Amino acid sequence: SYDLRQPPSVSVSPGQTATITCSGDRLRGKFAFWYQQKAAQSPRLLIYQNNKRPSGIPERFSGSTSGSTATLTISGTQPTDEADYYCQAWDSSTKVFGGGTKVTVL
Amino acid sequence: QLQLQESGPGLMKPAETLSLSCTVSGGSISSSNYYWGWIRQSPGKGLEWIGSIFFNGNTYYNPSFPSRFSISLDTSKNQFSLKVTSVTAADTAVYYCVREVADPYGYYFDYWGQGTLVTVSS
Repeated sequence: SYDLRQPPSVSVSPGQTATITCSGDRLRGKFAFWYQQKAAQSPRLLIYQNNKRPSGIPERFSGSTSGSTATLTISGTQPTDEADYYCQAWDSSTKVFGGGTKVTVL
Repeated sequence: QLQLQESGPGLMKPAETLSLSCTVSGGSISSSNYYWGWIRQSPGKGLEWIGSIFFNGNTYYNPSFPSRFSISLDTSKNQFSLKVTSVTAADTAVYYCVREVADPYGYYFDYWGQGTLVTVSS
């Protein structure tokens, strides 16, 4: 089991909005970080400091946090966004990941 | 552009000691701004943070990982390493080396190596 709970899968049509949640007590009062892992690739940082994107990450990716739940939103989902998405938080210098959400673009 | 590259054996036998190295290019591991860490991903599973090391050699480990796991630094080679003693089949995974950022908002991983698959099998 994972301290951070994510839905195992999310399906979305191209151009629509995909929403991925991440819940856990470790998120309360903290920011979540999000990573994208495409097939046969390393994960890459997608969102940091709650809603900042590293250089090269499209604006359609955004993050938010409310209470003990963080949300990653993909607006206008593209077929290239099909991937696994992981949230990450920290607590007492321990870093934990959610179980991951597979986003399928149908 | 910072790059991290893992190296190590792909195949191990149970009870052997695994040694993985991560060579950092495009930046110095002696920087006081970052930690350097290891994350693993077991087949078909999610990500697990193993531990990290600071430029001064201070280490921080995931309490879920036993003391068989240790991380060290070689600043002369701009490398850091992961050693796992007495490996078992459960240690079969892709191991990633990462750069860890610590800022007022938390700890996260902004650069990842390509990962190296380690298989433990007799």
